[in-house]
Amino acid sequence: EDQVTQSPEALRLQEGESSSLNCSYTVSGLRGLFWYRQDPGKGPEFLFTLYSAGEEKEKERLKATLTKKESFLHITAPKPEDSATYLCAVHYDKIIFGKGTRLHILP
Amino acid sequence: GAVVSQHPSWVICKSGTSVKIECRSLDFQATTMFWYRQFPKQSLMLMATSNEGSKATYEQGVEKDKFLINHASLTLSTLTVTSAHPEDSSFYICSARDGTVISYEQYFGPGTRLTVT
Repeated sequence: EDQVTQSPEALRLQEGESSSLNCSYTVSGLRGLFWYRQDPGKGPEFLFTLYSAGEEKEKERLKATLTKKESFLHITAPKPEDSATYLCAVHYDKIIFGKGTRLHILP
Repeated sequence: GAVVSQHPSWVICKSGTSVKIECRSLDFQATTMFWYRQFPKQSLMLMATSNEGSKATYEQGVEKDKFLINHASLTLSTLTVTSAHPEDSSFYICSARDGTVISYEQYFGPGTRLTVT
């Protein structure tokens, strides 16, 4: 069964403590992988699209990378305002979302 | 750019009544729009995909007669929850894909919180 799995489910970090979120997938025929940020009670906000293994994209403190089996969202020196749920979605013949990682940055 | 709005942002209705939610792409043409529902601490569950001028394609298990979707223009899609029941209470989110670019990125609206009493 095609799956998208995000880990960890939740992550608490101190401000400035860098870490990575994982999105692993078992679909075939990947067309693209998306990362979104979702704040409570709001719709997801688009962050990145990755299309092929080896690709990397950066935005402020975030960097997304992609291999043939997984993607990482690296967060460098996070700030409390980076606290949110981060969702990944995989596009093959349809688009499916992972359950997300709830990130909490402590001041 | 790529802004999607939803209206209303929250709604409370009585069991048995119908509720309409609007989704608009404000600065691009959305040839395809998607409707999702999300339960607390759960991920997005795709309900249906609609293409402008065509009938919506519903995901397995989603009742098309209960969740009526209309995508009459390139900037507007509506979701009508008919004969709503308390179990329909959820967070409904729409998204849209820009039809003028070769991209599969979806841009999401802010969501609508539906509570059925």
